[in-house]
Amino acid sequence: GAGVSQTPSNKVTEKGKYVELRCDPISGHTALYWYRQSLGQGPEFLIYFQGTGAADDSGLPNDRFFAVRPEGSVSTLKIQRTERGDSAVYLCASSPGLAGDTGELFFGEGSRLTVL
Amino acid sequence: AQTVTQSQPEMSVQEAETVTLSCTYDTSESNYYLFWYKQPPSRQMILVIRQEAYKQQNATENRFSVNFQKAAKSFSLKISDSQLGDTAMYFCAFMKRRAAYGNKLVFGAGTILRVKS
Repeated sequence: GAGVSQTPSNKVTEKGKYVELRCDPISGHTALYWYRQSLGQGPEFLIYFQGTGAADDSGLPNDRFFAVRPEGSVSTLKIQRTERGDSAVYLCASSPGLAGDTGELFFGEGSRLTVL
Repeated sequence: AQTVTQSQPEMSVQEAETVTLSCTYDTSESNYYLFWYKQPPSRQMILVIRQEAYKQQNATENRFSVNFQKAAKSFSLKISDSQLGDTAMYFCAFMKRRAAYGNKLVFGAGTILRVKS
């Protein structure tokens, strides 16, 4: 697609439920990033994929969070046993991931997760 | 670890005037990039301007320019001729420049800019 697409735009769930957030990056971008943005704060890094593999998952807060990118394109962020503290906007970004990469990340509009 | 500090939670400016947003950072790296991103209410982060640390010349993009002071670890954004469409949250961000590391950004807490008519 022309830009990074994220679905759903908004998700309301109950504490303890499982949620999946989807990211479709810009076509041809091999690098994909997930960030979490709490209200009034800057985004915080969660995980970075280069192709199908998670090259850096140091930002995942605990083992309830998991992300996959099985074919090197679409990625899914999975959150198990959601807690109220997981409420945030989850941003996805992609970049070319090539030697000529300028460093710019291209962001989607995010998925706002609300845990009641 | 790198940190980015934006000390101005909110700023206001009159349309057509100039405003400067402040940013300081802390790092021991020598090869890095600095960015300003804009986040309007739509939530989509949009790149405003980018600076490579090894370049002494300050980056400019139309009405947007930076004052990059490497020794002081300061990276301020100047917006000239402010427009109503500039109203947004502005984030300063740092990136280590290593191929194997990916383009991992460290963001500041942001500054809300309101342009008044």
